[in-house]
This record gives sequence, C-alpha cells and structure tokens, in this order.
Amino acid sequence: KAGVTQTPRYLIKTRGQQVTLSCSPISGHRSVSWYQQTPGQGLQFLFEYFSETQRNKGNFPGRFSGRQFSNSRSEMNVSTLELGDSALYLCASSFLQGASEQYFGPGTRLTVT
Amino acid sequence: GIQVEQSPPDLILQEGANSTLRCNFSDSVNNLQWFHQNPWGQLINLFYIPSGTKQNGRLSATTVATERYSLLYISSSQTTDSGVYFCAVVNGQGAQKLVFGQGTRLTINP
Repeated sequence: KAGVTQTPRYLIKTRGQQVTLSCSPISGHRSVSWYQQTPGQGLQFLFEYFSETQRNKGNFPGRFSGRQFSNSRSEMNVSTLELGDSALYLCASSFLQGASEQYFGPGTRLTVT
Repeated sequence: GIQVEQSPPDLILQEGANSTLRCNFSDSVNNLQWFHQNPWGQLINLFYIPSGTKQNGRLSATTVATERYSLLYISSSQTTDSGVYFCAVVNGQGAQKLVFGQGTRLTINP
C-alpha cells in the first residue's frame, strides 16, 4: 500500500504571498491532519479533516485554512505569508477520526523570505 | 490542555549500548504513539501503544496508562538509530488531536 504523499516537497515563497500544500492519504484512510514543525515551537496541530469536514482545529490564525475533497485528498492554504511561517508542514492520515493510529507523509519544507 | 514531557532531551551512546526513553503525560490518553524522525524530516511510526507492552525487533515499548507514562527501549543500538524520537498522545478528555512531546535526540557513535 502506498504511503502518505505530500507535494511539493520544498517551496520558497516571499512575504505576503500565499501557498497551497497538498496531501494524499493512504488508500482507504478518511482522516487527514496537518501539523507544523518549527525549531522553537516543536510539532503543533493545525487541523483535522474527516469526510470533507473540519473536525478539529489548533491554535493558528485564520490565515491557515484547509479543505478535503471527496477522495480524501487534502490541501492547506496559508495566505499573506510571514517569515514565521517558515516550517516543515506534515500531513498525517488515519482510518478513523481522532484517536486511531496516524501515519505521516514526508512533509513540505516551506521557506518564507 | 494535556502536557507531554520527554526525557532525556539528549542522549549520546556508543554503538551496542541499550537506552530507555521516557514520556510522561498529564492526563488520560486514548492514543499514544512513538515516532522516529529521520534526517529528512519524515516521522516513522514505531509503536501505537495506548497501553500495554509491544516489541518489534530491537525496539520495545511499554505504556502504563494509570501512571501516565510510556517507555521506549532500544537494545544493541546501531548508528542508524540516531535521530529524534517523539512521543505523541491524544487526550482521552479533550480534542482528538496528537499532542507531541519535545523529543529526545539520540546520537549513536560508532
């Protein structure tokens, strides 16, 4: 079974721009969660989508948004990029919502200049 | 929200040594996972262990949910075991999201 895939793997953007990251879950998994990893804050939960609905949301500003499609693929969008948004963005999929085992993709490394 | 503390923050060992990594959490959990982050950033699943003991080769893990801690054991360490190990939990009471500890950076020297 193919694992979780994320595109693109690396991205360089300028302050003020917006960016869209994509995540394809493991086949059959319906839950997709997004996490941000920075050296200062560690790994932090952004949001979770299940059956095309946002089920949980972390403590991030409204510039961070996401969506999930009927095939369970998910995208996250960050608008009006700030230098502090430079991070590794990780996507995880699981069969069920919430407490079931999560499997992570390779991540997208975003650099904002 | 739930707090997750990992210890030690850094561990340096010689190849062949054994190690124990600890994860303490402040509330009940219904999910606990151990991950190894590879040099490229990907989190590799090691164990899904909300309670009990599991073993996989040289690695084993034990979670004592009633006492709110989990241990990851690595025996006969190899240089390829180097990296950062994360414990992550889902609070049994609150939002169903993984909350991560700060990680243990393990360095295995040849």
